[in-house]
Amino acid sequence: GENVEQHPSTLSVQEGDSAVIKCTYSDSASNYFPWYKQELGKRPQLIIDIRSNVGEKKDQRIAVTLNKTAKHFSLHITETQPEDSAVYFCAAANTGRRALTFGSGTRLQVQP
Amino acid sequence: GAVVSQHPSRVICKSGTSVKIECRSLDFQATTMFWYRQFPKQSLMLMATSNEGSKATYEQGVEKDKFLINHASLTLSTLTVTSAHPEDSSFYICSAAAPGAREKLFFGSGTQLSVL
Repeated sequence: GENVEQHPSTLSVQEGDSAVIKCTYSDSASNYFPWYKQELGKRPQLIIDIRSNVGEKKDQRIAVTLNKTAKHFSLHITETQPEDSAVYFCAAANTGRRALTFGSGTRLQVQP
Repeated sequence: GAVVSQHPSRVICKSGTSVKIECRSLDFQATTMFWYRQFPKQSLMLMATSNEGSKATYEQGVEKDKFLINHASLTLSTLTVTSAHPEDSSFYICSAAAPGAREKLFFGSGTQLSVL
C-alpha cells in the first residue's frame, strides 16, 4: 500500500517568514495530493490540492509543488501569520482507491 | 463545499459498553465513506471504507467484529465500537467524497471517545 512520509514534525518560524513542509510517497499510482490544516480537536480542513498532471499550484500565500519522478511534494506558505499556526498533513490517493493516506503531520508555530 | 455531519462530538463511556457514531452527508449522496482514527498528536489512520449497500472494507489490523460499520443509506454511515476498552479512546473522524469531486474528501467534525 501507499506510505507517505512527512518532514519536519515541528516547524517554528517568525511571522512574515516562509514555511516549507515536505512529503514523499511510495505508490507511483497515486495521482492526487491534498494538504490539510487541522487545529486542535477540529476536523482537517483542505487548504490546497494538486493532481499528478500539474507540477505546481498556487492560491494566494499557499503553494504546492509536485515532483512525480522523485515522488515528493511540498507545501509552501509565504508571509506566515500567527493564525497559520496549526498541524498540517499531507496526503496521497489514487483515483481507483480514493481513500487518503496521510503523512505524520507537521506542527507549525508562527511566532508573532 | 459539501457538508459532512458527525455525532456525537464527544462520548465518555464505561469499559465494556458499546458506542455508536453517526456520519451523515447533508447535501449530497455518498456511496463511499471513510472512517479514520487519530490518537493524540498523531496522524489520521484509515480504519475502514464504508460502502453503501455492501460490507465495509477494513484495513489491516482493524478488527471488524469490534468496529462495526453500517452504511444503510446514501447519506448515513455508522461506526459502532463494541465492548469499548480504554485503549479504544481516540478521536474518530469520518469523511466522504461528494459526487463529481473525485478524490476530494470532506471531513466530519470528529468524535472524541473516552473509555473509562
